[in-house]
Amino acid sequence: DAGITQSPRHKVTETGTPVTLRCHQTENHRYMYWYRQDPGHGLRLIHYSYGVKDTDKGEVSDGYSVSRSKTEDFLLTLESATSSQTSVYFCAISPKGAAYEQYFGPGTRLTVT
Amino acid sequence: DAKTTQPPSMDCAEGRAANLPCNHSTISGNEYVYWYRQIHSQGPQYIIHGLKNNETNEMASLIITEDRKSSTLILPHATLRDTAVYYCIVRVRTGANNLFFGTGTRLTVIP
Repeated sequence: DAGITQSPRHKVTETGTPVTLRCHQTENHRYMYWYRQDPGHGLRLIHYSYGVKDTDKGEVSDGYSVSRSKTEDFLLTLESATSSQTSVYFCAISPKGAAYEQYFGPGTRLTVT
Repeated sequence: DAKTTQPPSMDCAEGRAANLPCNHSTISGNEYVYWYRQIHSQGPQYIIHGLKNNETNEMASLIITEDRKSSTLILPHATLRDTAVYYCIVRVRTGANNLFFGTGTRLTVIP
């Protein structure tokens, strides 16, 4: 157990509405990540953070924004949800550093109708 | 990061060793081999990693060939809870900040 929780675990929302997903860690690790997982695409990095207020884009960042105002929380926001953002979202931490092993949360299943 | 090739699926009898192969023929000298698995509907789970030497931990053993072009993950006594998709990933330890998961091997442990 890497001490990572994600909320909500399931969400159904309508196209055009904003949605915020929360990742919370209990260990105060510096590096945190948001991925999405879709059939046929594996896991793809959306955004990552290397400290409070320090974030950067990943492979599929369009339509997503993130914020990290506290070490323990990394928020992912869909500004205006679209059906293509229906996915399972995973948060991860990397206790040893950016390029070391990552530990994942339980995931959030988001459906945009 | 180098590309990896894994068989799409494998079966293993419960209690027997599960040997999962991975080819990474284009691996470079500073790239590590990582293994993760994903049990249905859960987040990926880190298993083990190595550079040149064989590695063992409480979950598994990792055997890397001398030329480093392939590796094998060994689960010594597979249980039904080991049924999952196993991913072999090759990556450098500096500069990279994400993991590239391919399609992996779906291991089914049979009672």
